[in-house]
Amino acid sequence: KAGVTQTPRYLIKTRGQQVTLSCSPISGHRSVSWYQQTPGQGLQFLFEYFSETQRNKGNFPGRFSGRQFSNSRSEMNVSTLELGDSALYLCASSLGTGESTEAFFGQGTRLTVV
Amino acid sequence: GEDVEQSLFLSVREGDSSVINCTYTDSSSTYLYWYKQEPGAGLQLLTYIFSNMDMKQDQRLTVLLNKKDKHLSLRIADTQTGDSAIYFCAEIPFNQAGTALIFGKGTTLSVSS
Repeated sequence: KAGVTQTPRYLIKTRGQQVTLSCSPISGHRSVSWYQQTPGQGLQFLFEYFSETQRNKGNFPGRFSGRQFSNSRSEMNVSTLELGDSALYLCASSLGTGESTEAFFGQGTRLTVV
Repeated sequence: GEDVEQSLFLSVREGDSSVINCTYTDSSSTYLYWYKQEPGAGLQLLTYIFSNMDMKQDQRLTVLLNKKDKHLSLRIADTQTGDSAIYFCAEIPFNQAGTALIFGKGTTLSVSS
């Protein structure tokens, strides 16, 4: 069974640009969550999508957005990039229903903004 | 608001037991988790405990939960150099419908031979 796949693994962008990151969850999982990891702030929850609908949202500005497709794959978009957006972006997939809340993470996308 | 706290560093010798501690604030959290992160890698789910349990054992790992004190611990028996990593405690607040995890800052475990 394939794990959670994030692409690309590494990305370098310039301030002001926008970026799109992709996450393919484990087959059968309908929930995809996104997290930002930085040395200063640690792991912070961005948002969660379940069955193509945003179910939860963290405290990030509107420049951070996401979506989920009918096959459960998810994309995260960051517009007008700032230096402070440099981070490891992790996505996690889970069944998202019932009592099973185990979340499995991908390897992450390392974004560097210069 | 919700907050999860952990000590930042722990250093042990190979073969000893390691105990990583965590305190959380949402007493209604249903599940509490332990994740491991090795350098350059994503997060690996190690184990989790349901809030109506006091203890859960899984091979070398033992999780203890004290709901009264909102304290969670992870004990690693016979710690190996391969256990060197950052360990994160996480909770899902009760009022969340989904799987939005709140993480601690992580404890860096260093194992010396």
